Amino acid sequence: GIQVEQSPPDLILQEGANSTLRCNFSDSVNNLQWFHQNPWGQLINLFYIPSGTKQNGRLSATTVATERYSLLYISSSQTTDSGVYFCAVERTDSWGKLQFGAGTQVVVTP
Amino acid sequence: GAGVSQTPSNKVTEKGKYVELRCDPISGHTALYWYRQSLGQGPEFLIYFQGTGAADDSGLPNDRFFAVRPEGSVSTLKIQRTERGDSAMYLCASSLRGASFNEQYFGPGTRLTVT
Repeated sequence: GIQVEQSPPDLILQEGANSTLRCNFSDSVNNLQWFHQNPWGQLINLFYIPSGTKQNGRLSATTVATERYSLLYISSSQTTDSGVYFCAVERTDSWGKLQFGAGTQVVVTP
Repeated sequence: GAGVSQTPSNKVTEKGKYVELRCDPISGHTALYWYRQSLGQGPEFLIYFQGTGAADDSGLPNDRFFAVRPEGSVSTLKIQRTERGDSAMYLCASSLRGASFNEQYFGPGTRLTVT
């Protein structure tokens, strides 16, 4: 199956700092999503971004599908940004099945 | 509008018992998915419905697991003869599936504990 690797596995940030999370995947995809999982386990949709660049407030994401990676940027981090960030991809020939990475655990300290 | 809902939010059962987990998708979403998440890991795909039929059940771990979606809306995940290893968060998602667009939206999950 497709491999999805996220880095770094853990990240500790001071409030106000910027950071970049990376997602590498091993095969062609037709869907890529970034999620934030809050402490209660809810997966919050951040971006649907199979290619290109999108921005939403302090967050932005870029996917370069031809090079099989995606980046999530967090700017001016806040304590509410703490949690686990997941990248998930749907392989081109595997409709409906999202393959998740292991996640990046982010802790933002005041 | 209302998001994906799942009931119960928590379920504790004894080893060997039968459990049912329910998922209500976003109204109008034709596709529905079940995932399972163990502690410290990313969610893992179980099964995907398009309408009433299971389009891909390749993620179901064994024949103790079964899911239905009889009217193309609500779905129930059924686990027979539960084992301690079945303890996990069970997540449901839905999407308005198009030919080139398939953003999945997740519910809050059901945390299953098998004692």
